Amino acid sequence: GAGVSQSPSNKVTEKGKDVELRCDPISGHTALYWYRQSLGQGLEFLIYFQGNSAPDKSGLPSDRFSAERTGGSVSTLTIQRTQQEDSAVYLCASSPGISSYEQYFGPGTRLTVT
Amino acid sequence: AQTVTQSQPEMSVQEAETVTLSCTYDTSESNYYLFWYKQPPSRQMILVIRQEAYKQQNATENRFSVNFQKAAKSFSLKISDSQLGDTAMYFCAFMKPFTGAGGTSYGKLTFGQGTILTVHP
Repeated sequence: GAGVSQSPSNKVTEKGKDVELRCDPISGHTALYWYRQSLGQGLEFLIYFQGNSAPDKSGLPSDRFSAERTGGSVSTLTIQRTQQEDSAVYLCASSPGISSYEQYFGPGTRLTVT
Repeated sequence: AQTVTQSQPEMSVQEAETVTLSCTYDTSESNYYLFWYKQPPSRQMILVIRQEAYKQQNATENRFSVNFQKAAKSFSLKISDSQLGDTAMYFCAFMKPFTGAGGTSYGKLTFGQGTILTVHP
């Protein structure tokens, strides 16, 4: 079946603008994760969803970052008032969530803040 | 908190030869999972191999195998008969599993810094 998809593939935005990044998980996967991959920080966890709730938001770097998931499926990561240090690849992963720890990743969104 | 260390920023190997990528981790947990992920230039993270900490037997997936030393907290990846398509960045990752409501299983991944592997013809 279809894998995890993310859109847009690339996004260039000006400092101070808001951006929304979208993740479509594999159908039926209840768990969804967002990670950020940057040159300075490597790969780091941002937030985890189980269904529509987010029991673990511990990786969000500031209150400019937020995420939601609707209908237990699509998730949107929003970054408000973007800063240059937000430039990174944002990766989304999903997992069946039932007796499975394997995460399936999307191709990521490369965000460049100018 | 868990940490994962990959001490080899870059490695190279000739096609058909064997290469080993190193990974060490630090945790006080007794139950956890370890993974190796491959990230080619397409950015798509692909699971290569998984190891449950409670299993003594090293995991194997075709040309990929691990050397899991729990006491030493070491988890190296061996790639045999290297192929050009193995060229990618490889990440070692740690996961502490949780069981939530309804028997759901989840856990955030903690990644190492990555090792860029280049396979030469």
